[in-house]
Amino acid sequence: DTGVSQDPRHKITKRGQNVTFRCDPISEHNRLYWYRQTLGQGPEFLTYFQNEAQLEKSRLLSDRFSAERPKGSFSTLEIQRTEQGDSAMYLCASSLSELAGLITDTQYFGPGTRLTVL
Amino acid sequence: AQTVTQSQPEMSVQEAETVTLSCTYDTSESDYYLFWYKQPPSRQMILVIRQEAYKQQNATENRFSVNFQKAAKSFSLKISDSQLGDAAMYFCAYDPGNEKLTFGTGTRLTIIP
Repeated sequence: DTGVSQDPRHKITKRGQNVTFRCDPISEHNRLYWYRQTLGQGPEFLTYFQNEAQLEKSRLLSDRFSAERPKGSFSTLEIQRTEQGDSAMYLCASSLSELAGLITDTQYFGPGTRLTVL
Repeated sequence: AQTVTQSQPEMSVQEAETVTLSCTYDTSESDYYLFWYKQPPSRQMILVIRQEAYKQQNATENRFSVNFQKAAKSFSLKISDSQLGDAAMYFCAYDPGNEKLTFGTGTRLTIIP
């Protein structure tokens, strides 16, 4: 068990460019979550997947954001036409949901990708 | 909407002493889950402790324990015998059972040698 990994750890981009982040969850985990954390704040939920299905998206996730988890393993989060307000830490977490929602499972977080939009 | 409030932006404690971090939350649910996560500087979020609302017994993990007051919607974290490695941002988080965590704004804990 190597934990949740994210790539890249840091990304600096110019306004208007597209960026893509990758998250590799803990291998047996079927749920994967994306959060955004701005300076001085706690993480805010963006979206989550059960296997390859995207089950929910926050209203924070504008049309410029898209997330995928094509084979139910790793996930990508793409931001198109980045804006300075997108600068934040993007966190990925995973969990193993065994009982179809009967018991909530602990989420394990990756190290995050820090995005800076100039 | 659920909210989580951490009213102490910063706390400090002498090494080996005990410190309590406060957290209150707002919910109309009767079953839910509460967590404390620790985020060391430039490092990833780590689970410290977890509490199920249906359990009356307060959760304990080694030097970490909680005081869960369901009626008061309070969930404080006590760290005993504080160590230098405990220095971090501590986040309280609420989950109504759908695994969408709502976090507080965090408390920065400094350990004084």
